[in-house]
Amino acid sequence: QVQLVQSGAEVKKPGASVKFSCKASGYTFTTYYMHWVRQAPGQGLEWMGIINPSSSSITYAQKFQGRVTVTRDTSTSTVYMELSSLRSEDTAVYYCARDHGAAGGHFDYWGQGILVTVSS
Amino acid sequence: DIQMTQSPSSLSASVGDRVTITCRASQGIANYLAWYQQKPGKAPKSLIYAATSLQGGVPSKFRGSGSGTDFTLTISSLQTEDFATYYCQQYISYPYTFGQGTKLEIK
Repeated sequence: QVQLVQSGAEVKKPGASVKFSCKASGYTFTTYYMHWVRQAPGQGLEWMGIINPSSSSITYAQKFQGRVTVTRDTSTSTVYMELSSLRSEDTAVYYCARDHGAAGGHFDYWGQGILVTVSS
Repeated sequence: DIQMTQSPSSLSASVGDRVTITCRASQGIANYLAWYQQKPGKAPKSLIYAATSLQGGVPSKFRGSGSGTDFTLTISSLQTEDFATYYCQQYISYPYTFGQGTKLEIK
């Protein structure tokens, strides 16, 4: 069965960076694109970017350009997101979500989410 | 960016009721529209994709309709497990965007 297992919660100070992971299993990792979505406390869902695990081609939401880096490791079927220059507004739950197809699809499976707290 | 507007933002209903949630896109998105259900402390769950297609394992009480700019999610015969927040999402162009959510509460 398809599973996306994300790394544990993080607490960071403003200005720091955070890197977290999403390990996929139960399917061929390189066949399906992967998205990152975040949700601030009590707020809605915000799309951050997408990676093609096969080619490592990436598209970021313009809002996060220059501050976010998404990478992947095909040997471990893991996608990583690094967010730098953290500020309090980055406090959120970060989800990875699998694209139903080769991009242009909805999100059919989601990770459990990672709470990132930015506080001095 | 394509703006997605859901209505209502919150909705009270009773067990056994049928409810409808509306989602409007700021420009045409054909049928590139998905609906998700989210319960407190949990990740969203896919319900409907391509505006009308039911995600595998989702009961047929959930029905999606619409195309272009106007879409609806109808939930029939509400049960306690259906009380949650529902989001629509367009995936025709980046950045993918979500509606603000509709919180469905028990009356």
